[in-house]
Amino acid sequence: AQTVTQSQPEMSVQEAETVTLSCTYDTSESDYYLFWYKQPPSRQMILVIRQEAYKQQNATENRFSVNFQKAAKSFSLKISDSQLGDAAMYFCAYGDNTDKLIFGTGTRLQVFP
Amino acid sequence: KAGVTQTPRYLIKTRGQQVTLSCSPISGHRSVSWYQQTPGQGLQFLFEYFSETQRNKGNFPGRFSGRQFSNSRSEMNVSTLELGDSALYLCASSLALQGGNEQFFGPGTRLTVL
Repeated sequence: AQTVTQSQPEMSVQEAETVTLSCTYDTSESDYYLFWYKQPPSRQMILVIRQEAYKQQNATENRFSVNFQKAAKSFSLKISDSQLGDAAMYFCAYGDNTDKLIFGTGTRLQVFP
Repeated sequence: KAGVTQTPRYLIKTRGQQVTLSCSPISGHRSVSWYQQTPGQGLQFLFEYFSETQRNKGNFPGRFSGRQFSNSRSEMNVSTLELGDSALYLCASSLALQGGNEQFFGPGTRLTVL
């Protein structure tokens, strides 16, 4: 069975600084997808970034980028130039060819001015 | 385009009762998935429906069931409610074109079981 582990329950960063959230996963599959979802307080969960396992190139979306290490089964999220609006719970998730997602336990990110 | 909507937003029930939650996906989305979110267990996958068929099921007892209608709207039902069923139930929809779809989440239904 696939598992996703987020070892940092909470992280904090100063506005304009960079922060990295960690995620490791376990799977025996070769074809899969990895995601970072953001859940702001009392707001809906939204997709931050997505990575296909077969792509070696790390995904980037504006200030958000990932470090995907397939052999190490590691998928960290880097947020550059942090903004107050980045404060949220961040969930790492594993997906296959269906829409079933396996989530990690989440990392609460605080952003200080 | 309207987002994913879930009704009701809040529910209070007592043990032993049953409850039905509703999810309306984004127009054109064919896949609907359900998740249970609790402080203790985090986000856990309940089931996924695609074209009115259950495509995946999580590790939940048979008290949890669901269905999808021809217009892609979905309902989930929990019978014989237990205190541990208190949770935020999230619904997500996607175009289901291929694997790794972006899923769009609704605001959730917060169920409290007394």
